Amino acid sequence: QVQLQESGPGLVQPSQTMSLNCTVSGDSMTTTSFYWGWVRQPAGQRLELIGRIFITGSTNYRPSLKSRLSMSIDTSKSYFSLKLTSVTVADTAVYYCVRVNLVGDIDLWGQGARVTVS
Amino acid sequence: DIQMTQSPSSLSASVGDRVTLTCRASQDIGYYLAWFQQKPGKAPKSLIFAISNLHPGVPSRFRGSGSGTDFTLTISNLQPEDFASYYCQQYQNFPFTFGPGTRVNL
Repeated sequence: QVQLQESGPGLVQPSQTMSLNCTVSGDSMTTTSFYWGWVRQPAGQRLELIGRIFITGSTNYRPSLKSRLSMSIDTSKSYFSLKLTSVTVADTAVYYCVRVNLVGDIDLWGQGARVTVS
Repeated sequence: DIQMTQSPSSLSASVGDRVTLTCRASQDIGYYLAWFQQKPGKAPKSLIFAISNLHPGVPSRFRGSGSGTDFTLTISNLQPEDFASYYCQQYQNFPFTFGPGTRVNL
């Protein structure tokens, strides 16, 4: 079955750029049935959808992060990526990559990657 | 953004109980309501979409209901593996937003 796996540095210095990749295995990413997205969860807080990307490269970003956020996708290599610039301690969280169907329902989650800004 | 609230923030229950969790949206979200289960240190698991539809593999003791702005998740015959946090989420308007969660404690 389809699986998602996050990867990237666990520690980022303030004001630097954090980057995460999500590798998709078990099926092709070229389907037009899904978006691919990122959800984060600061410790003890609620989940927060950061953004999503379609295979065409079309994106939707959370407005509060839009100026610092970029997402990309490479279906030939079966991964999509997140870059967040000028990070602060408020960006410390567990970041999950997710699969989102066209209606907006999240049906698949990665195991999560903890990123600490310090 | 659409604001999501959940109540209670936590509850205590026993194996075999039936529990009801409530979720409220700040505006009508139609049928664009999902529920997720999360255990400590683990990724969330998708339980229900479109108010009442179970994702594959989710036991039938989970039931979602509601409409408009008020929704409930009912877990019947609570099992040991059901003790976890539960989050609702609206996906009518981007950015899709989550509630603060309800923790179901033993």
